[in-house]
Amino acid sequence: DAGVIQSPRHEVTEMGQEVTLRCKPISGHNSLFWYRQTMMRGLELLIYFNNNVPIDDSGMPEDRFSAKMPNASFSTLKIQPSEPRDSAVYFCASSSGGTGTYEQYFGPGTRLTVT
Amino acid sequence: QQQVKQSPQSLIVQKGGISIINCAYENTAFDYFPWYQQFPGKGPALLIAIRPDVSEKKEGRFTISFNKSAKQFSLHIMDSQPGDSATYFCAALKRDDKIIFGKGTRLHILP
Repeated sequence: DAGVIQSPRHEVTEMGQEVTLRCKPISGHNSLFWYRQTMMRGLELLIYFNNNVPIDDSGMPEDRFSAKMPNASFSTLKIQPSEPRDSAVYFCASSSGGTGTYEQYFGPGTRLTVT
Repeated sequence: QQQVKQSPQSLIVQKGGISIINCAYENTAFDYFPWYQQFPGKGPALLIAIRPDVSEKKEGRFTISFNKSAKQFSLHIMDSQPGDSATYFCAALKRDDKIIFGKGTRLHILP
């Protein structure tokens, strides 16, 4: 298996622009998680889906952030409009068996820089 | 109560030494305690995990010690090697809930 695939790996954009991050989970996994990692705040869970349904989005910073999972093999995280404080590494992770499954498989991340 | 407190933030150890990272939690409902390892430019990956009914688990040079009464657990890396240099996250979770990660420890092993 190719593992969790994220694109792009690096994104540089100007403040106010829309940014879309993409994730393809491991085939057969039915839970998907979006995380944000910064030096100051560590790893933060933004939102997670189970069977394509958003279960908990309490970690989403504000209305500028939105996430979708239209099918079992694809998810997007969108920031509109982007701000410099959104600069971080964004990880997607997937797991099998629902949120009670203990092992999550992380993708390589997308490094976002907002200038 | 959902927090997992991890220390130290950074750690430097000589090659061949023992690296020790500590974590503490409050929620007694947590029933699984994994450790994740993250190399620069990569996503975190599960390293080793323990359940609260076990006091110690060993996999190669990596050992988790678990103290249920103190609500603390720690990762020991024996005979630390330069290839172990990475960021380590402790975590805790309960069935059907999300993982709570510690803030991470940046470990550097001197050659």
